[in-house]
Amino acid sequence: GAGVSQSPSNKVTEKGKDVELRCDPISGHTALYWYRQSLGQGLEFLIYFQGNSAPDKSGLPSDRFSAERTGGSVSTLTIQRTQQEDSAVYLCASSPGQGRDTQYFGPGTRLTVL
Amino acid sequence: AQSVTQLGSHVSVSEGALVLLRCNYSSSVPPYLFWYVQYPNQGLQLLLKYTTGATLVKGINGFEAEFKKSETSFHLTKPSAHMSDAAEYFCAVSASGANSKLTFGKGITLSVRP
Repeated sequence: GAGVSQSPSNKVTEKGKDVELRCDPISGHTALYWYRQSLGQGLEFLIYFQGNSAPDKSGLPSDRFSAERTGGSVSTLTIQRTQQEDSAVYLCASSPGQGRDTQYFGPGTRLTVL
Repeated sequence: AQSVTQLGSHVSVSEGALVLLRCNYSSSVPPYLFWYVQYPNQGLQLLLKYTTGATLVKGINGFEAEFKKSETSFHLTKPSAHMSDAAEYFCAVSASGANSKLTFGKGITLSVRP
């Protein structure tokens, strides 16, 4: 079946611009995670969605970062006023439900802020 | 709180040689442990996972890992390396509770020499 998809695969933007990154989870998966992979920090958790519950935003690095999940499916990660330190690969993962299910990852979006 | 330590950033082996990638974890609850592999410009692919029960876990592509509670380790092995095994490998531990976010190690790059 279809896996997790993310778009765009690459995004180059200028410092100060806003960007939106999209994630389509595996159909039927209720849990969705965003992670960031950067050279300096490795893989870091950003935000977690479970069904229609309020998201866990504890990993977001600043208030320039936000995310939403519409209809319990597609998620969008928005970064406002991008900075060079935001350059990283943003990975989305989904899992079937609550608990420590396996997380299935998308191919990621490589963000470059010039 | 959880943490994962992967000592060293790069391992090089000859084709046909044993692969051993080390992972030590810290967890305040019984751990769920994962090994993921990342090929260039791709997302993370699950190799294997330990939840409960049998401590020797077999995964895809001939990899296996053994959970040793007394040593807080979950080392990844493969008896005979193949050129296609060249990739980056991440060990991760899952949080307990509704948000089962993964905490990753820094990753190890495996090179395979012909």
